[in-house]
Amino acid sequence: SQQGEEDPQALSIQEGENATMNCSYKTSINNLQWYRQNSGRGLVHLILIRSNEREKHSGRLRVTLDTSKKSSSLLITASRAADTASYFCATDEGSTLGRLYFGRGTQLTVWP
Amino acid sequence: NAGVMQNPRHLVRRRGQEARLRCSPMKGHSHVYWYRQLPEEGLKFMVYLQKENIIDESGMPKERFSAEFPKEGPSILRIQQVVRGDSAAYFCASSPRTGGNQETQYFGPGTRLLVL
Repeated sequence: SQQGEEDPQALSIQEGENATMNCSYKTSINNLQWYRQNSGRGLVHLILIRSNEREKHSGRLRVTLDTSKKSSSLLITASRAADTASYFCATDEGSTLGRLYFGRGTQLTVWP
Repeated sequence: NAGVMQNPRHLVRRRGQEARLRCSPMKGHSHVYWYRQLPEEGLKFMVYLQKENIIDESGMPKERFSAEFPKEGPSILRIQQVVRGDSAAYFCASSPRTGGNQETQYFGPGTRLLVL
């Protein structure tokens, strides 16, 4: 079953604008992770946020987590054409067994 | 420190043949995970292995699919008697010794399997 569900499915913006992607999930979690995937490539880890954290920053990335609403958001500020990629959230469904559950992703296109 | 290595990057097989996908984890990582990605979809967990042990294979089809991670050498995902529905990108990820999903999984570039 799909755990994380990203929204929107596709997002198209101009360079310099901010991009916000949302992720909703169904069960309790230990942590939530965001990954980026360039077309035809593997996944690159962006940020891991634990269930007891509410916000985390890494460079131009800001991730929030609201466990009461079972949702997370990824904000990319001052976007660049190189940010064009698919972005996935992944959760552990509260398990420590190792498996991650991915959503279908948000396809972000940043136009120069 | 080289990242997760997968080979081949692309694999073409005819229906009924066998596919062998290899994954070498990052140096110092003893936990390996395999995921499958269909077009326009997210990754689906298949199997989680430590050296010489299968920890969780609940995401792997019961028939035709098998995985191993020997003491020496890469992890192998083996698909016997491939069918067209097996066409997908197969990703391997590794994590350090403590394992579990309390830490980051590092992904390889994937093997794209096409079954004709």
